[in-house]
Amino acid sequence: QSVLTQPPSVSAAPGQKVTISCSGSGSNIGNKYVSWYQKVPGTAPKLLIYDNNKRPSGIPDRFSGSKSGTSATLAITGLQTEDEADYYCGAWDTSLSPWVFGGGTKVTVL
Amino acid sequence: QVQLQESGPGLVTPSETLSLTCTVSGGSISSHYWSWIRQSPGKGLEWIGYTYYSGSTKYNPSLKSRVTISIDTFEKQLSLRLRSVTAADTAVYYCARESDYDFLTGRSTGNYYMDVWGKGTTVTVSS
Repeated sequence: QSVLTQPPSVSAAPGQKVTISCSGSGSNIGNKYVSWYQKVPGTAPKLLIYDNNKRPSGIPDRFSGSKSGTSATLAITGLQTEDEADYYCGAWDTSLSPWVFGGGTKVTVL
Repeated sequence: QVQLQESGPGLVTPSETLSLTCTVSGGSISSHYWSWIRQSPGKGLEWIGYTYYSGSTKYNPSLKSRVTISIDTFEKQLSLRLRSVTAADTAVYYCARESDYDFLTGRSTGNYYMDVWGKGTTVTVSS
């Protein structure tokens, strides 16, 4: 069981929006920054969002992150077929292992 | 463009030691933290531990008694050793670079994330 809780799967049609939640506690999301990663089978995980809501160079603005209290959300707008992947949230934790992650959410483009 | 490549045996016998190497190319190994992360079948990501380029380390408390992570800055490699493995250690093992660079300001923030990952290597523990 992962320290951060994510829904197992979400789906939407091309062009639509999906949101992925990531629920934690005061020792991780509540006091630390959240990052999001995309994992396509056979490829290396890719950083999508850092510091809760910032995008690294090269990440389209269709991807956005937010945080409120002990939860964080990744939103993908204008969903594209290449967005089909597993998405993971991660954060530092002050009471457990320094790094904790979510169990991952599979995004399916219908 | 920094790239990471994990390597090592794909099959390890129970009770033996799992040994993996991560080779860094296209950039410096200095001034960064380097982590090992794994994903067991059907489960989420689990952080194993990290090493700083200076050699200092920190480990996941749940694995601390069995793990050693080391770094060779000359060869630009980091290593993972996991002792006394069981079937529960079967997983895809990733190495990743940690960064605190803020793309907006160009400054270090002290807030870390993993900006570069290897593709991972599958390790099966079985007799």
